[in-house]
Amino acid sequence: DQQVKQNSPSLSVQEGRISILNCDYTNSMFDYFLWYKKYPAEGPTFLISISSIKDKNEDGRFTVFLNKSAKHLSLHIVPSQPGDSAVYFCAAPQRRYTGTASKLTFGTGTRLQVTL
Amino acid sequence: GAGVSQSPRYKVAKRGQDVALRCDPISGHVSLFWYQQALGQGPEFLTYFQNEAQLDKSGLPSDRFFAERPEGSVSTLKIQRTQQEDSAVYLCASSLGGLGGYTFGSGTRLTVV
Repeated sequence: DQQVKQNSPSLSVQEGRISILNCDYTNSMFDYFLWYKKYPAEGPTFLISISSIKDKNEDGRFTVFLNKSAKHLSLHIVPSQPGDSAVYFCAAPQRRYTGTASKLTFGTGTRLQVTL
Repeated sequence: GAGVSQSPRYKVAKRGQDVALRCDPISGHVSLFWYQQALGQGPEFLTYFQNEAQLDKSGLPSDRFFAERPEGSVSTLKIQRTQQEDSAVYLCASSLGGLGGYTFGSGTRLTVV
């Protein structure tokens, strides 16, 4: 059962344009979401997060939107740069261990290629 | 250290061989996670340590998988009698706690032939 879904395995965008990466989830208990970026042969790095009490969070060129009723979130990158070419994962904490970190459920990822 | 260090970076094992994968978390990070990432998939949870205590091992796919963190710092993931389906990237992540905020290592790519 894939609780976090990224239905677009790949996306190609021209430099300077907007990149929109989508993520859907099925577990209504999820109340926090994270986006990770992964370059080849490296581990995922945290990019941006959003709590369910918000519908938008912005950090520089990156904005995440959350639509709770649709169980959908999206990551917008404006303007896209060649260095943004990577695989992007959507993730949600699934179980919280008292006082400490939570394990994450990841989507399958979207490979973004930003072309010149 | 400055980041999470994993070794070896690459490991080729013959089917049936035992392997041990090492993770050096960021100093002081009490939480340590292991994830398995198959080709074309997202990372999938294997197990979680809080200091030396293994609090959750629900993601370990079989009893051939074993993880330990005896002194609450370095962790080892051991896979016995490796099978082809064990081929994947094994990622380690550490955290001080809270939601998200993990630092991942670069992973160990295991290929079972």
